Amino acid sequence: DGGITQSPKYLFRKEGQNVTLSCEQNLNHDAMYWYRQDPGQGLRLIYYSQIVNDFQKGDIAEGYSVSREKKESFPLTVTSAQKNPTAFYLCASSGGQLGEQYFGPGTRLTVT
Amino acid sequence: DQQVKQNSPSLSVQEGRISILNCDYTNSMFDYFLWYKKYPAEGPTFLISISSIKDKNEDGRFTVFLNKSAKHLSLHIVPSQPGDSAVYFCAATSNSGGSNYKLTFGKGTLLTVNP
Repeated sequence: DGGITQSPKYLFRKEGQNVTLSCEQNLNHDAMYWYRQDPGQGLRLIYYSQIVNDFQKGDIAEGYSVSREKKESFPLTVTSAQKNPTAFYLCASSGGQLGEQYFGPGTRLTVT
Repeated sequence: DQQVKQNSPSLSVQEGRISILNCDYTNSMFDYFLWYKKYPAEGPTFLISISSIKDKNEDGRFTVFLNKSAKHLSLHIVPSQPGDSAVYFCAATSNSGGSNYKLTFGKGTLLTVNP
């Protein structure tokens, strides 16, 4: 089955630690995205990548980093510089010009 | 500045009746609009979309209407079913500005369909 996988579903970390969230897709999509969702908020774009070895900052990139070494994978690192890292993180991909994005199941990150 | 606005945080309707979810946008460059449905602790799923060259798009029980002059779109669900209970996000993008890979999302509307 084609789709997007994110792991793990739930992640707990201590404040001050970096943590990397995984995102893999087998849809052969060129573009991939990371969003975060907070209660009562929409989806806010963290980073996106239109092609391998290239990525751009979204609206709230501070405290995050990404890499895109393979077409299938777009990991997100939440660094200790991110002031409010506890959130629901969503990865998405798209393969066409019309903007339809397909989302993974999300990772709930809790930092204490 | 919020470019896509969903002014109703929640909506409650009876099963079998029509649900109408509204969305307003401010960016005149937006020319493609999408609706996503999201259950708790899951990723959003694409529901229906509309291009700015159309004013209506229908898919089964779901119809999206676009009023470009008012910068307003709405999603109609008829008849509503309890399984439609979810958060609905409106999203917009510009296919003409070179940034057609980015979607701008509203904050969502929680729809509850009561049996």
